[in-house]
Amino acid sequence: AQKITQTQPGMFVQEKEAVTLDCTYDTSDQSYGLFWYKQPSSGEMIFLIYQGSYDEQNATEGRYSLNFQKARKSANLVISASQLGDSAMYFCAMREQPRGNQFYFGTGTSLTVIP
Amino acid sequence: ETGVTQTPRHLVMGMTNKKSLKCEQHLGHNAMYWYKQSAKKPLELMFVYNFKEQTENNSVPSRFSPECPNSSHLFLHLHTLQPEDSALYLCASSQGPVAGGSSYEQYFGPGTRLTVT
Repeated sequence: AQKITQTQPGMFVQEKEAVTLDCTYDTSDQSYGLFWYKQPSSGEMIFLIYQGSYDEQNATEGRYSLNFQKARKSANLVISASQLGDSAMYFCAMREQPRGNQFYFGTGTSLTVIP
Repeated sequence: ETGVTQTPRHLVMGMTNKKSLKCEQHLGHNAMYWYKQSAKKPLELMFVYNFKEQTENNSVPSRFSPECPNSSHLFLHLHTLQPEDSALYLCASSQGPVAGGSSYEQYFGPGTRLTVT
């Protein structure tokens, strides 16, 4: 079974609007971490935000926030006030504590910001 | 240099060639990773090293041979590759697994775009 599922291959958003990128995960572990990465066309993966399985509050980093719904096993990324530079691939990832060196990535969502 | 660096950035090689990819991290991390990224596929984890010891090998063909001489350097030796091996190869580093260590994110290099002809 897929550990990380991203069901939106491509998304479009108007500049200055907010957008939500979906991510669901599958794990039976109690302790795990969820991550979002951005990959511009240059290829480098850029870390955006982290959510721990025991964190009670949703993580926020500037214009990025993570909508964490543990019971539903979802960790959606919300980008507020989209900018043209936000156009990129976005990947959701998970790290399970018992297997701490293993990161699982989704297939990614391509976000295009329209001026 | 800061962060994670990879050389070369682009590589074209024939199926009979031997080449090596190099990765270096300047972050004081103890875990390093090789990933393969092909179009429309999830990142494929190839190898993981923790404190220079290989801890993961995800059924990677023997034509890919990793080497980790120390916690800061990681190599991927390539020989007799196939055209389907053409992809972006990403190196990453992180803090290794410690108690409560699921919070440590990976830092990635810019990747090597490999084309096998």
